[in-house]
Amino acid sequence: DAKTTQPTSMDCAEGRAANLPCNHSTISGNEYVYWYRQIHSQGPQYIIHGLKNNETNEMASLIITEDRKSSTLILPHATLRDTAVYYCIVRVAANFGNEKLTFGTGTRLTIIP
Amino acid sequence: SQTIHQWPATLVQPVGSPLSLECTVEGTSNPNLYWYRQAAGRGLQLLFYSVGIGQISSEVPQNLSASRPQDRQFILSSKKLLLSDSGFYLCASSRRNSPLHFGNGTRLTVT
Repeated sequence: DAKTTQPTSMDCAEGRAANLPCNHSTISGNEYVYWYRQIHSQGPQYIIHGLKNNETNEMASLIITEDRKSSTLILPHATLRDTAVYYCIVRVAANFGNEKLTFGTGTRLTIIP
Repeated sequence: SQTIHQWPATLVQPVGSPLSLECTVEGTSNPNLYWYRQAAGRGLQLLFYSVGIGQISSEVPQNLSASRPQDRQFILSSKKLLLSDSGFYLCASSRRNSPLHFGNGTRLTVT
């Protein structure tokens, strides 16, 4: 699986949009970009994933560059409950039976009141 | 949707004692199951994964073992705990082409 690079930490004011970048310059054509977050002392929570097109769900939006070498997770109106460590991961979605997500150290996002 | 149950939430065990952590999954059948460990301030390390009953793959050599006696049950064990076994243990489940879902973990402290 391709490796990802994320900033170690970021701050964002409450109510503003939080934009979390991720570089995955060695991503393969069949690898998806996944985002998870982990609130302290809980298991990681799935947020969103995408292949080529931008994606949006009730939690966030995912913007993937045209060359797919980087992406940005957007939390449109950050709240204090969004304070967490955010992980960007790439994986082959159909890699059945050998599906191993490699989690790095992620970005620690702190929402400031 | 899948629900992953892990217990206990916290555990303090002396060095040399045995360990058994249980994970059960609801809301799906024939899932892939995983055990991850997270050391303080670090990323997640995959320990074991299983694609079916009795089928276990180990990712790293260690003091731990895993078993899958039933389709939706995954157990992490040790005969004798080491101090280095302390950490946050997470069970996860997935189906083909679907996101990985995690339980809320067990925080193990070996003293």
